[in-house]
Amino acid sequence: DAGVIQSPRHEVTEMGQEVTLRCKPISGHDYLFWYRQTMMRGLELLIYFNNNVPIDDSGMPEDRFSAKMPNASFSTLKIQPSEPRDSAVYFCASSQGFNSPLHFGNGTRLTVT
Amino acid sequence: AQTVTQSQPEMSVQEAETVTLSCTYDTSENNYYLFWYKQPPSRQMILVIRQEAYKQQNATENRFSVNFQKAAKSFSLKISDSQLGDTAMYFCAFMKLQGAQKLVFGQGTRLTINP
Repeated sequence: DAGVIQSPRHEVTEMGQEVTLRCKPISGHDYLFWYRQTMMRGLELLIYFNNNVPIDDSGMPEDRFSAKMPNASFSTLKIQPSEPRDSAVYFCASSQGFNSPLHFGNGTRLTVT
Repeated sequence: AQTVTQSQPEMSVQEAETVTLSCTYDTSENNYYLFWYKQPPSRQMILVIRQEAYKQQNATENRFSVNFQKAAKSFSLKISDSQLGDTAMYFCAFMKLQGAQKLVFGQGTRLTINP
């Protein structure tokens, strides 16, 4: 399996622009997670899905952030409008079944200027 | 809420030496999972080892082993015969057995293996 695939690997955008991050989980995995990594706050869970349904979005920082999972093989994390403080590495991860280890993608490094 | 603490921001050892990374956690749960993840410069998060709290035996994976002390809420990672490729950030993480599938991470330890 190719593992969790994220795109783009790097994204540089200007403040106020819309940003969309994409994720393809491992085939057969029914959980999908979005994490954000910053120097100050470490790794934080933003939201996770089970069978394409959002289960817990309590980590989503503001209404500017939204995530969707239209099918089992694709998810997006959107930031609109983006701000410099959104600059971070965003990871997508998936797992197969309850209490299974998470498999992470390579992350998207977002820089908002 | 669960918290995970890694008290060593950075560590450095010589190749072939043994190194132990510390992790403590706080929880009122009785059953849970603990993990160590490795993040090399490539940025990918790689699962190193997993421990189920209900198992008394410490988990091992080749050169990697843990010392799980449930009463003390301690979960250290030992790397034997360290290699240059072990250079990475190492994160300790906690997940409840029941309820939300949240993986809570520590702040990480930056490990450097010197030739």
